[in-house]
Amino acid sequence: NAGVTQTPKFQVLKTGQSMTLQCAQDMNHEYMSWYRQDPGMGLRLIHYSVGAGITDQGEVPNGYNVSRSTTEDFPLRLLSAAPSQTSVYFCASSARRSGGNNEQFFGPGTRLTVL
Amino acid sequence: SQQGEEDPQALSIQEGENATMNCSYKTSINNLQWYRQNSGRGLVHLILIRSNEREKHSGRLRVTLDTSKKSSSLLITASRAADTASYFCATVIYGNNRLAFGKGNQVVVIP
Repeated sequence: NAGVTQTPKFQVLKTGQSMTLQCAQDMNHEYMSWYRQDPGMGLRLIHYSVGAGITDQGEVPNGYNVSRSTTEDFPLRLLSAAPSQTSVYFCASSARRSGGNNEQFFGPGTRLTVL
Repeated sequence: SQQGEEDPQALSIQEGENATMNCSYKTSINNLQWYRQNSGRGLVHLILIRSNEREKHSGRLRVTLDTSKKSSSLLITASRAADTASYFCATVIYGNNRLAFGKGNQVVVIP
């Protein structure tokens, strides 16, 4: 199993550009989530999903959209990038719908810079 | 808002010594989890301890939970250079399906 994969590894955007960060898992996990990690801030939850077709907001959802059309994929879309979105983004998955109450498996991260 | 807060935030020790980190939180929790992050990598799950548990062990790791003090500690015994990493606690409150991470605790083990 590849586990949780994320693409791209690095990305530089200009303010106002849009892009999609890809996340996929091959473990048939129901729960998937996106976090951003900023220096001195730990990880903050952006959006999460408990299964295909179901998404919900986390702590810092503004400026981001998600969808979950399949169990495997959970893309994160930046609609109009801002310098404040410069961060490292992590995708994670967990086996059951009550994913917050179980072990999370993390991807390697995407380092995004917005100029 | 940050639920977990680790203390101390940076720790430097000699190989073979024990490393202890603490995590405090504010509201009642369902469980508390510890994760490790090596530089430039994703997080790796270490231990999950539920609110009705007081202590758990996994190899050289020992986690305690004191719900009356709203705090947890992670002990790494006989540390190795490979234990050099950042360690995060994360909490899940009752009725919530989301993890709230602390700011992390950087541990450097000197060979």
